[in-house]
Amino acid sequence: GAGVSQSPSNKVTEKGKDVELRCDPISGHTALYWYRQSLGQGLEFLIYFQGNSAPDKSGLPSDRFSAERTGGSVSTLTIQRTQQEDSAVYLCASSLGGTGFGYTFGSGTRLTVV
Amino acid sequence: GIQVEQSPPDLILQEGANSTLRCNFSDSVNNLQWFHQNPWGQLINLFYIPSGTKQNGRLSATTVATERYSLLYISSSQTTDSGVYFCAVELTGTASKLTFGTGTRLQVTL
Repeated sequence: GAGVSQSPSNKVTEKGKDVELRCDPISGHTALYWYRQSLGQGLEFLIYFQGNSAPDKSGLPSDRFSAERTGGSVSTLTIQRTQQEDSAVYLCASSLGGTGFGYTFGSGTRLTVV
Repeated sequence: GIQVEQSPPDLILQEGANSTLRCNFSDSVNNLQWFHQNPWGQLINLFYIPSGTKQNGRLSATTVATERYSLLYISSSQTTDSGVYFCAVELTGTASKLTFGTGTRLQVTL
């Protein structure tokens, strides 16, 4: 597609429920990144995919968080047993991969855990 | 890990004024990008600039990699320039992720 598409744009969930966030990168972009931005804060790295592999998942805050990417394209970030501290905007970015290319970010998913 | 510091943290400008935003980083990098996050939260990539100088309209950026800093210049500011400006770097020898600074919040008033 023309840009990075994320869905849903907003999600309100009850504490303890599982949620799935989706990211559809720019066609041909081999690298995909998930970041999290809490209210008024900077961006916190979660996980990086190169193709379908995740060479760096060092930013996932707990084992309740997982992510996968299939077909070198769409990625899903899953949060199990959501907690109130998971409330944030989850941002996805893609790039052509390797060094030398800028990131393009999606509009994000605003997650609110009540 | 690498430290990325931005200054000033907050800036208020009158429309038409010029400004310089600074990004200092603690280690050697092979990727540096500047982003603008508009008031609706969308992050826009402004520059990919691991070294040298680039210009795009009223914006320009300079990175002095040997001295570990980058500058973003905004000339003739407009209200649409308001938002948060982030610098982000990738450590040399890695090809994984950008580490973001804490940002400079800019407000341009009439």
